[in-house]
Formats: sequence, C-alpha cells, structure tokens
Amino acid sequence: DAGITQSPRYKITETGRQVTLMCHQTWSHSYMFWYRQDLGHGLRLIYYSAAADITDKGEVPDGYVVSRSKTENFPLTLESATRSQTSVYFCASSGGLAGGFGTDTQYFGPGTRLTVL
Amino acid sequence: QKEVEQDPGPLSVPEGAIVSLNCTYSNSAFQYFMWYRQYSRKGPELLMYTYSSGNKEDGRFTAQVDKSSKYISLFIRDSQPSDSATYLCAIERGSNYKLTFGKGTLLTVNP
Repeated sequence: DAGITQSPRYKITETGRQVTLMCHQTWSHSYMFWYRQDLGHGLRLIYYSAAADITDKGEVPDGYVVSRSKTENFPLTLESATRSQTSVYFCASSGGLAGGFGTDTQYFGPGTRLTVL
Repeated sequence: QKEVEQDPGPLSVPEGAIVSLNCTYSNSAFQYFMWYRQYSRKGPELLMYTYSSGNKEDGRFTAQVDKSSKYISLFIRDSQPSDSATYLCAIERGSNYKLTFGKGTLLTVNP
C-alpha cells in the first residue's frame, strides 16, 4: 500500500508486557515521528527520527524505545506497558527541505488505539 | 505556560456560518504556523500553513498570523457539515521539523 501505514490498528495488552507498534512509509521520507493523542493533552511528540539510525527524544519519551534501521520503518516499543500509556498513537513522516531549514508537510498514519489493562 | 494554547471547544454552528478558530503561543522563535484537520478516528491532515505574519487564503479557508501578539487564527467561510472535525493548530521553529500542537478544537456544523 502506498503512503503511511500503522499496525496493529487496535491492541489490548496487560500492564508489564512489552508492546511494539509498527509504522511503515513508502515515500522514502527522511523524517519520521511518533505522537500520542490523549483527551485534554492533544498530540504530544514521543520520539522523532531525522534519518536511518538517527533518533531523538520528544516531549514525552519516558517508557518508550524507538529504532530506525531502515528509512521506511520506525517501530515504537513500550518496554513495560503501564495504564498511563493507554492512548491513540500516531506515526507521521515528512520529506523535509534541502538544507534542513524550513518546514514540510507531516503525513499522518491512521493511528493505533492501545489499551493497557 | 504551555507553548501553544487552544480552546478545545466544542464549537457548534449552523451550516453557512463563519467559523473562527484561534490559538496563542508563547515563544517568539516559532516561524511556521499550521492548521491540521482531523476527522473522527482518522489521522490529522495538513489544511494550511503560513510563514511569518499575514494572511493566506485557500478557498473557504483563511489562515491569519499576528506575530506581534502571538496569535494565529483560522477562518472558515460558508461552513459545511463536511467541515465537522477537530482542528489543530501547530507551530514549528523551522530548524528541525518538530511540531508543537494545540489541544484541538472540535467543530460541528449542523445542517
């Protein structure tokens, strides 16, 4: 499928379990992002990546791990899930602009609804 | 103080009304200002973006930025039921593509 996809779309897990959310984009975009969206908080950046093997923390990184060995994939792992990580998770990608200055559209995936019991 | 403040609403208007959505921000370093639209159970999609102060128009939508007062607005003319969605403002410094989002305003346009 062309574009940006996330899997699974829905996930229920238990406290303490490890969970990995997958994100795949077909545009070869340099930049990829993980957000969580919660009522009362809006969209908050968890981690982002400027290229393969380059990642950096966002606003709420605690309890999450990311990797980016290939440009098109950016998985997000909850090492030991907690109830407070129940949320809707969005992945996004952006082509970026030459020279690293400016802005470019972020394209969002359809989201993963995660419930931690 | 949050970097971006947005009234979450909800906002309910009749079809054909003019809608005004607003955000304020605190850091004058921000240079790019965006509006994303998010339909229920979907990912956000970019609606408009502006750089620096001024107005930008696209069909029924007008984005306005006032950097002196750190205030951004989105106006929707002749609103339609299909405009019913959550509208999120987003701002960026312009150096690393990291966006800071407002909480979003839920808009319902009633036929």
